[in-house]
Amino acid sequence: GQQVMQIPQYQHVQEGEDFTTYCNSSTTLSNIQWYKQRPGGHPVFLIQLVKSGEVKKQKRLTFQFGEAKKNSSLHITATQTTDVGTYFCAGRGSGGSNYKLTFGKGTLLTVNP
Amino acid sequence: DAGVIQSPRHEVTEMGQEVTLRCKPISGHDYLFWYRQTMMRGLELLIYFNNNVPIDDSGMPEDRFSAKMPNASFSTLKIQPSEPRDSAVYFCASSLGLAGMRETQYFGPGTRLLVL
Repeated sequence: GQQVMQIPQYQHVQEGEDFTTYCNSSTTLSNIQWYKQRPGGHPVFLIQLVKSGEVKKQKRLTFQFGEAKKNSSLHITATQTTDVGTYFCAGRGSGGSNYKLTFGKGTLLTVNP
Repeated sequence: DAGVIQSPRHEVTEMGQEVTLRCKPISGHDYLFWYRQTMMRGLELLIYFNNNVPIDDSGMPEDRFSAKMPNASFSTLKIQPSEPRDSAVYFCASSLGLAGMRETQYFGPGTRLLVL
């Protein structure tokens, strides 16, 4: 079945440093979503990417969808303590009747003030 | 809107007991999802419903797990009998649809289950 891998599993940075998490799918995706989960909280939707090569920005966050629609990345510029949490990518397969959104295991970001 | 509501927020029970988790999706959302989150396995989809009908339950671990959605505003996930390895955070999520921005999933606060 479809697998979505995320790296790194953990990332610790000093406040002000940049951060990137990568997401790779074993199959071509129709779209990819990103969620953030604060410690003790629940996943919260951040963004959805649909088009090949798409790039979207939300303030200090930049999201990319690969040309082959099999990988994606989230980059945070100048991290802040409020960025702490686990970032998940979730992909939906293309074609067939695969309606499942498969989540990666997430990247836990901690920020040292 | 109050968002997705789950109860209880925390549950501690003994092995062998029945556990029932409850979820109220966002009004107007046609899809409801049950997830389980653990450190080892991450976020796993257990089952999802469309218009109260179970569509895919292939993620349900075993026969001890069952889920129902008797109406558009209520769903339950039952574990009977519970085992220590069922300890996890169980999330309910809902969405408008399965296409475009309609498939954005809104998660409830989760139920933290501990089976002793």
